[in-house]
Amino acid sequence: EDQVTQSPEALRLQEGESSSLNCSYTVSGLRGLFWYRQDPGKGPEFLFTLYSAGEEKEKERLKATLTKKESFLHITAPKPEDSATYLCAVPGGSARQLTFGSGTQLTVLP
Amino acid sequence: DAGVTQSPTHLIKTRGQQVTLRCSPKSGHDTVSWYQQALGQGPQFIFQYYEEEERQRGNFPDRFSGHQFPNYSSELNVNALLLGDSALYLCASSLSGQGYREQYFGPGTRLTVT
Repeated sequence: EDQVTQSPEALRLQEGESSSLNCSYTVSGLRGLFWYRQDPGKGPEFLFTLYSAGEEKEKERLKATLTKKESFLHITAPKPEDSATYLCAVPGGSARQLTFGSGTQLTVLP
Repeated sequence: DAGVTQSPTHLIKTRGQQVTLRCSPKSGHDTVSWYQQALGQGPQFIFQYYEEEERQRGNFPDRFSGHQFPNYSSELNVNALLLGDSALYLCASSLSGQGYREQYFGPGTRLTVT
């Protein structure tokens, strides 16, 4: 059974203080890893897809990386508007359903 | 280009009642998945519809059922509501075919069961 674990559960940063979020996974065969951002009371917003170890994707202050066992979401010089819950997920099964981690709740203080 | 839309936004029901939630997929998408998200948790897969049929179901009881229409829109029905059914219900759409493609989510329907 696919499993996704995210850490830390919550992270508070000062504006401009860079950090990384971790997503470790156990799957029978990795077919991709997705990162989403979710604001309170809203649906997840797609950020990145990574397919193979060593792959990197960037968007503004965010960079996602992938190894054979985990993925990192690096946030450089964050701003208060980056505050959100960040979710990672892996697809699996014949229906490609997503298995999500519990998320990391990021708070960036001004 | 319209994204995924869901209705209603919020809903309050009483235990034992039945509820229907609706979803329209992103333009060009033909596959709809439904997820339940409890507070502080990641979304959990309920089921997926493609070509008007349920393609796969997660670990949810038969009280949860769905339908997909020829225009690819979808409904989620929950019967005999329990307090534990209170959650954010998310619809996600994607394009079928080769590979494992990203799913795009709607804003969700917040269901409260009292």
